[in-house]
Order: sequence, then structure tokens, then C-alpha cells
Amino acid sequence: GESVGLHLPTLSVQEGDNSIINCAYSNSASDYFIWYKQESGKGPQFIIDIRSNMDKRQGQRVTVLLNKTVKHLSLQIAATQPGDSAVYFCAESHSGYSTLTFGKGTMLLVSP
Amino acid sequence: EPEVTQTPSHQVTQMGQEVILRCVPISNHLYFYWYRQILGQKVEFLVSFYNNEISEKSEIFDDQFSVERPDGSNFTLKIRSTKLEDSAMYFCASERANEKLFFGSGTQLSVL
Repeated sequence: GESVGLHLPTLSVQEGDNSIINCAYSNSASDYFIWYKQESGKGPQFIIDIRSNMDKRQGQRVTVLLNKTVKHLSLQIAATQPGDSAVYFCAESHSGYSTLTFGKGTMLLVSP
Repeated sequence: EPEVTQTPSHQVTQMGQEVILRCVPISNHLYFYWYRQILGQKVEFLVSFYNNEISEKSEIFDDQFSVERPDGSNFTLKIRSTKLEDSAMYFCASERANEKLFFGSGTQLSVL
């Protein structure tokens, strides 16, 4: 069936480095993509989203890139901080803002 | 920032027992969801609720599951006869309308 998946289960970086977390999706009908951050014991926290009519969107220290040709999504975190350590999930929807399909998650570990 | 609150944070129950997980969505939100996350796995959609009825549900949401919005503030998930495989973190989420989804911190359900 259709799914959203992540390439790397764990990413370890040094404080101050830039981090890139990748995600592949398989549903061609997906038109909305979101990145969530999940810290231990907490629910997913919205980071940034992008619609399929865009290929790049920037937030504060974060950038999401969408490549519809190869069905690939990435999250770039600039100047990564220890507080960025968490599991990052990509999620997609093909019906606007309703049901989300989540990927498996990537653990980001930031060393001081 | 307003938040989705869930109670209890942990629930332990015996197999075959009924459990009710409670959620208070953000007050002006109109769409409500339940998701679950089995330990180490991705977040999975269970059900969405709008205008006092289920708008979408997944294969996981079988006859043992039900949702209710008994008053203007609470949104509950009931599992009628719990099974071992129902053990998971259950997340409630809400959104206003075509805006970002807010998740609660979850209820950890352990079925013994």
C-alpha cells in the first residue's frame, strides 16, 4: 500500500552543524506534507509544512524541500542545537489537512 | 499557546476490560482525531471526528473502538474489550479548519 518512509533511523551531529533529515513518500496523490518533532514522552509537535504546489518553504532555522519528481521530502535544520534532539517524523496527506500518514521517524542526536 | 490535554497520562488495564481515554481539544477547534503509536513504530491514524460524527476511520478502528464528544469540551476514545495488541501511546489531536494539527501529550495504555 501507499506509505511514507524515512531513509535514516538515527542522525548524530555536533552542535552548530546543519542537519538534513530525509523522507520518501510513495503516494503520488499526496498534496500536503508536514514535519513533526517528537520529544520523549510528548506528542508530535508541528515544525513546518509544505503544499505540493511549492518546492521549498522556510521557517525559523528550518527549511523543507519537496521534490515531487522523485517523491522526496527533506527537513534542514540550521545551526543545530542540543534542544533539537528528538525524533522527527514526516507525514503526508492527500486530502488537505485531514488524515495524516506518518513515516517511521528519524532520531536526531545533537552533541554539545 | 493553547494545548490539547489528555487524561490519564498512563492507564494500565487487564485484557478484556473497557477503557476510556479522555481528551480536551483546543476550545475553538472543529476537527478532532485519535492516533496511536505502538512503541518504536510510527504514528497511526485511528479516527477523525467532525460535526458530531465520524468522518473517517482506519482499519484499526474496528467495532471495539468508539468515540464520543459528550459535551462541548471533551472528546473520548473507548475501547470496549482491550486486547494485548492495543497497548500503545494514544494521541488526541485537533485543528480549527485547514490549519495545523495540534497533538496532546498522549495516554500510554498498557494492557496486561
